[in-house]
Amino acid sequence: EVQLVESGGGLVKPGGSLRLSCAASGFTFSSYSMNWVRQAPGKGLEWVSSISSSSSYIHYADSMKGRFTISRDNGKNSLYLQMNSLRAEDTAVYFCAREMEYFDSSVVGRLYYFDYWGQGTLVTVSS
Amino acid sequence: SSELTQDPAVSVALGQTVRITCQGDSLRSYYASWYQQKPGQAPVLVIYGKNNRPSGIPDRFSGSSSGNTASLTITGAQAEDEADYYCNSRDSSGSHLGVFGAGTKVTVL
Repeated sequence: EVQLVESGGGLVKPGGSLRLSCAASGFTFSSYSMNWVRQAPGKGLEWVSSISSSSSYIHYADSMKGRFTISRDNGKNSLYLQMNSLRAEDTAVYFCAREMEYFDSSVVGRLYYFDYWGQGTLVTVSS
Repeated sequence: SSELTQDPAVSVALGQTVRITCQGDSLRSYYASWYQQKPGQAPVLVIYGKNNRPSGIPDRFSGSSSGNTASLTITGAQAEDEADYYCNSRDSSGSHLGVFGAGTKVTVL
C-alpha cells in the first residue's frame, strides 16, 4: 500500500525557517518524481515545487523561488522541503504527492497527475 | 492568478447530472486531472488522462476534453459527492511548472 506521511509542520515566526519531510513507503520511491502542494486556510490548492526521481530536475512556483528548497534522499525514501524567510502568506497545509507524467500513444496525449497524496502538515507563520 | 479557470460553485439535485469545466491553454497539450477534496481531507484523484478512473472511484465520474476545455461529469450525483473539485495540469509557459484551477464547490441538493 502506497503511503506518504508528512511531518515537520508547526508554528514559526515571520522570517523564520522550517523543514518539512515526507516519508514514502509501498512503492519504489527512487522511480518517481515528487511534488509539494499547499493549501492556505479556506483557499484552493497551490502547486509549490517538484523534483525528478534522481533530483536532476527541480522546479518551483514563482512565489517560492529563492526561499524554498526541495530535495530528496532516495536511500531513505524521503522528500524534503526547506522553507526559509517565511511569511504570513505561507501559512498553509503542505501536502506531498507522487507525480505521474507520460505520453499515452493510445489517446495521443500527454498525461500529468498526482496519484497519491499525504495527509498534509500544517505550517503556521505568525508572530 | 490561476492559468486554469473553473466556475466557483455549482449545485445539483440528488441523482441528477452535473458537469464541471476547466479552461486553460495548457489543456491543448496535456489532459487535465481532477481531484475531489472534502473538508479536512487530502485531495483524491478521481479522473486522469482522457477518461481514466483510479481504482475505487465510482463510474459515475467521467472526464472529457475538447480544445482548451476539460470537463468532469458526475452522472447520478450522490450526497457523498458534495466536495471541492480541482483540475490540474502543467502551466502553459512550457516551464514545466504545475498549476491547479481555483476549484469548484459542488453542492448536492
